[in-house]
Amino acid sequence: KAGVTQTPRYLIKTRGQQVTLSCSPISGHRSVSWYQQTPGQGLQFLFEYFSETQRNKGNFPGRFSGRQFSNSRSEMNVSTLELGDSALYLCASSLMGQGVSYNEQFFGPGTRLTVL
Amino acid sequence: GQNIDQPTEMTATEGAIVQINCTYQTSGFNGLFWYQQHAGEAPTFLSYNVLDGLEEKGRFSSFLSRSKGYSYLLLKELQMKDSASYLCAVNNYGQNFVFGPGTRLSVLP
Repeated sequence: KAGVTQTPRYLIKTRGQQVTLSCSPISGHRSVSWYQQTPGQGLQFLFEYFSETQRNKGNFPGRFSGRQFSNSRSEMNVSTLELGDSALYLCASSLMGQGVSYNEQFFGPGTRLTVL
Repeated sequence: GQNIDQPTEMTATEGAIVQINCTYQTSGFNGLFWYQQHAGEAPTFLSYNVLDGLEEKGRFSSFLSRSKGYSYLLLKELQMKDSASYLCAVNNYGQNFVFGPGTRLSVLP
């Protein structure tokens, strides 16, 4: 079974631009969660999508948004990029979604975003 | 709120045993996961505990005490390749995962 894939793997943008990241979950998984990872803050939850609906949202500004398509693929968008948005963005897929018993998350390789 | 604590860094010698602790304060606890993350790579699943006690999986074991809000990951017969960050994450009913800050383990020859 193919794992979680994320594109692109690396991205360089400048302040003020916007960016869209893509995540394809493991086949059959309906939940996709997005995380931001930085050396100082660790792994921070952004949001979770399940069956095309956002179920949970972390404590990030509205510049961070996402969506999920009917095939469970998900995209994350960051508008008006700031220097502090430089991070590794990870997506994780799971079968049943967060908050459910034994809900192992499988992580993709991440997208390394650098904002100049 | 939810709060998860882990030591920031640990160092151990090849062949030794190391215990990485994780304490948490949360509501609606529904299980605790341990993940391993090598530098520049994605986290990978190590273990899951939802009931009190020890879960053993080869060289790795994980323990949970729900009443104390405490878990540990035990790594035996350490190898150089075990140098990585170890993340503890709590799963709560109807809520998102919360990850601890991670413990960076360095295994020395």
